[in-house]
Amino acid sequence: DAKTTQPPSMDCAEGRAANLPCNHSTISGNEYVYWYRQIHSQGPQYIIHGLKNNETNEMASLIITEDRKSSTLILPHATLRDTAVYYCIVRPSTTSGTYKYIFGTGTRLKVLA
Amino acid sequence: DAGVTQSPTHLIKTRGQQVTLRCSPKSGHDTVSWYQQALGQGPQFIFQYYEEEERQRGNFPDRFSGHQFPNYSSELNVNALLLGDSALYLCASSYRVPGEAFFGQGTRLTVV
Repeated sequence: DAKTTQPPSMDCAEGRAANLPCNHSTISGNEYVYWYRQIHSQGPQYIIHGLKNNETNEMASLIITEDRKSSTLILPHATLRDTAVYYCIVRPSTTSGTYKYIFGTGTRLKVLA
Repeated sequence: DAGVTQSPTHLIKTRGQQVTLRCSPKSGHDTVSWYQQALGQGPQFIFQYYEEEERQRGNFPDRFSGHQFPNYSSELNVNALLLGDSALYLCASSYRVPGEAFFGQGTRLTVV
């Protein structure tokens, strides 16, 4: 199973872009990169996922390097409500159509007023 | 559309007791996974159910067992509770065709 490496913590000023990096150097060609966040021990919330192309939705953008060994989650205009632990997950290849997430310890993002 | 619902939200049990946690998946989802999250750690995969069968299992002892019902809801059972079983237990549902999983708010289990 691929593993991910994230910085343990980051600060970001309110209104500025938050760029959260993730290293997944052992990722396989058919494995997706998923991002979730967890606010104060609530259940993790899905943010975005991608395979090789950059992705954007109403919450964030995901930039995946060409070699797929790393990615960056971008929150374009961070607010205080974005303060959370952000998890970068590489979803293992499936053999049976089912899969599991392997969580690391994530990045604790603190948005400062 | 209700998301993933878990019950109860909080629970206190005594060492050696047994506990059952419940999960109703998001509408349209047929696969349920359970995770354990200790304080300050990321969630750890316990097992996954699809078509009422356990399909994958993480590194958890046999004291942890589960069940999936025909309506796709699921239960997590833990026998012979240990103090170390105190954690947030999360249920996630998804549709078998790979897509994102949606998590419930969790059950906070405290073993005393």
